[in-house]
Amino acid sequence: EPEVTQTPSHQVTQMGQEVILRCVPISNHLYFYWYRQILGQKVEFLVSFYNNEISEKSEIFDDQFSVERPDGSNFTLKIRSTKLEDSAMYFCASSEQEMNGYTFGSGTRLTVV
Amino acid sequence: DAKTTQPNSMESNEEEPVHLPCNHSTISGTDYIHWYRQLPSQGPEYVIHGLTSNVNNRMASLAIAEDRKSSTLILHRATLRDAAVYYCIRQGAQKLVFGQGTRLTINP
Repeated sequence: EPEVTQTPSHQVTQMGQEVILRCVPISNHLYFYWYRQILGQKVEFLVSFYNNEISEKSEIFDDQFSVERPDGSNFTLKIRSTKLEDSAMYFCASSEQEMNGYTFGSGTRLTVV
Repeated sequence: DAKTTQPNSMESNEEEPVHLPCNHSTISGTDYIHWYRQLPSQGPEYVIHGLTSNVNNRMASLAIAEDRKSSTLILHRATLRDAAVYYCIRQGAQKLVFGQGTRLTINP
């Protein structure tokens, strides 16, 4: 069964450093998403991406965050200057059509120290 | 705001059916009803979704009330691997808004 692949599985970074989280969505999917989950809390929407542009973003997704689809297969989330409160599991997801089910990756655990 | 209401927790026995309820009384005519589950230390996993008619797939069935104000996820024969947090989500745009979900415990 096709999977969404995320790398790395765990990243530790110092506060103020830039991080890039990488995702390979399912190849025939057109819609891409990033979500995060702080330990013990709800899964939170960050951003959706379609046709090479952001289609919707949450209040969390401020100027410190950016997304990119640099080639036909990768989808990245960049956090420009990490804060302690950015520590969370970050999940990438993709879907074939807008209202179809999403396939989530297994996540990247980001720890900011 | 998730705009759905689910019980915080439910418990069932292995090999018995499980009915997980969800209330979405303010749902609009174009919102889809999605169900996802999250096993411990894993990402959310798609279970099923529907608009108006009942839906079946290999994982579960989704029964949607005629007025669409509520729905029920049915696991026909629970296994220990079905222990997870189950989320009922209205999808009206390019995002899913997760609530707290129902934590399902399966007893051997």
